[in-house]
Amino acid sequence: EVQLVESGGGLVQPGRSLRLSCTASGFNFGDYAMSWFRQAPGKGLEWVGFIRSKANGGTAEYAASVKGRFTMSRDDSKSIAYLQMNSLKTEDTALYYCTRDNGGNIEFWGQGTLVTVSS
Amino acid sequence: DIQMTQSPSSLSASVGDRVTITCRASQSISIYLNWYQQKPGKAPKLLIYAASSLQSGVPSRFSGSGSGTDFTLTISNLQPEDFATYHCQQSYSPPWTFGQGTNVEIK
Repeated sequence: EVQLVESGGGLVQPGRSLRLSCTASGFNFGDYAMSWFRQAPGKGLEWVGFIRSKANGGTAEYAASVKGRFTMSRDDSKSIAYLQMNSLKTEDTALYYCTRDNGGNIEFWGQGTLVTVSS
Repeated sequence: DIQMTQSPSSLSASVGDRVTITCRASQSISIYLNWYQQKPGKAPKLLIYAASSLQSGVPSRFSGSGSGTDFTLTISNLQPEDFATYHCQQSYSPPWTFGQGTNVEIK
């Protein structure tokens, strides 16, 4: 059974940093791209970015709203994906979902971890 | 970026009704269109991929159609568990983008 478990969310002040983790199980993690999405309270879904599998270069793409502030990485030996979030803004407040990305078809989602950016 | 416009933003329907939700892309996306169902406090669930392919385990009362820029999600014989928010999403080219969502409420 595929499972994705996010962790690392919490309350953080504007301008500070936070790192989210996504621990995967039930599939060969290294074979898949991993995407992060977010959903602000009462709002729609927003793609944050993805990191490709090592076989596809292991590079990442980001939404314009987070480019230059957020960085994705992965540790295939531990089946963990990371989202490093720097220079956080109040508008980054959202529930962050880790997902397995199959060419944009998002079949598996984590339960989400809440990030609140507030002074 | 490809903009996705979904309509209506909300609708009220009764159990047994047939419901149709539309999604329009700002450019042709072939059949690279997915539909998700989301219930309060839960992660989205993939219902339809590639415009019309039913995800494994999803009831056959859900169907999708369309290609190019115009797409439709149809729920026939609406069931109590179908009251939720539905999102369309294009997977033609990153950034993956979503419609604003359609909230299906009980009439």
